[in-house]
Amino acid sequence: QKEVEQNSGPLSVPEGAIASLNCTYSDRGSQSFFWYRQYSGKSPELIMFIYSNGDKEDGRFTAQLNKASQYVSLLIRDSQPSDSATYLCAVYSSASKIIFGSGTRLSIRP
Amino acid sequence: DTAVSQTPKYLVTQMGNDKSIKCEQNLGHDTMYWYKQDSKKFLKIMFSYNNKELIINETVPNRFSPKSPDKAHLNLHINSLELGDSAVYFCASSVTDYNEQFFGPGTRLTVL
Repeated sequence: QKEVEQNSGPLSVPEGAIASLNCTYSDRGSQSFFWYRQYSGKSPELIMFIYSNGDKEDGRFTAQLNKASQYVSLLIRDSQPSDSATYLCAVYSSASKIIFGSGTRLSIRP
Repeated sequence: DTAVSQTPKYLVTQMGNDKSIKCEQNLGHDTMYWYKQDSKKFLKIMFSYNNKELIINETVPNRFSPKSPDKAHLNLHINSLELGDSAVYFCASSVTDYNEQFFGPGTRLTVL
């Protein structure tokens, strides 16, 4: 089992709809959770971070964390073509290192 | 005001050569990292340093040697380059190892 798992996609969502990206992790002692966006040929950039169970909202983005079920998700409301990118989930594990998932490719169709 | 910078941006070299990639951050962060991103886009940590001390050394061949002259710089030297070393190498920094990371623009290494 991979330490951080994401569906590779591509996930295709119509413009204006909600895009839902999911991530599961295996280390129950993980403490911090991050979502990064990476455009093709560019470096990852932080979208959201979340430390506590529940929802955290920032503009069109909502991160959801459920430690009991060991998953973290990212919702993007009112999806725009500019949201088309690869989204990387990252988890700070109990081994004191950040582990990245392999990313989900999101495509917003006009 | 570049936060995390890397040089060079592109590096094309022959098998067997030795090359270095430099990284600098002006964010005042204590922790710096090197990542390798392969053709399948999987981002894998190679090394992390905290205030010039090596913290994480993943299962990376000995041909890769990081050096941190001060906490704002983390360089990566690669000896005897192999075809499989072709990838994009990202430097990153963070306040501490559990905070969000800020990435450099990447160095695309191509070994011929």
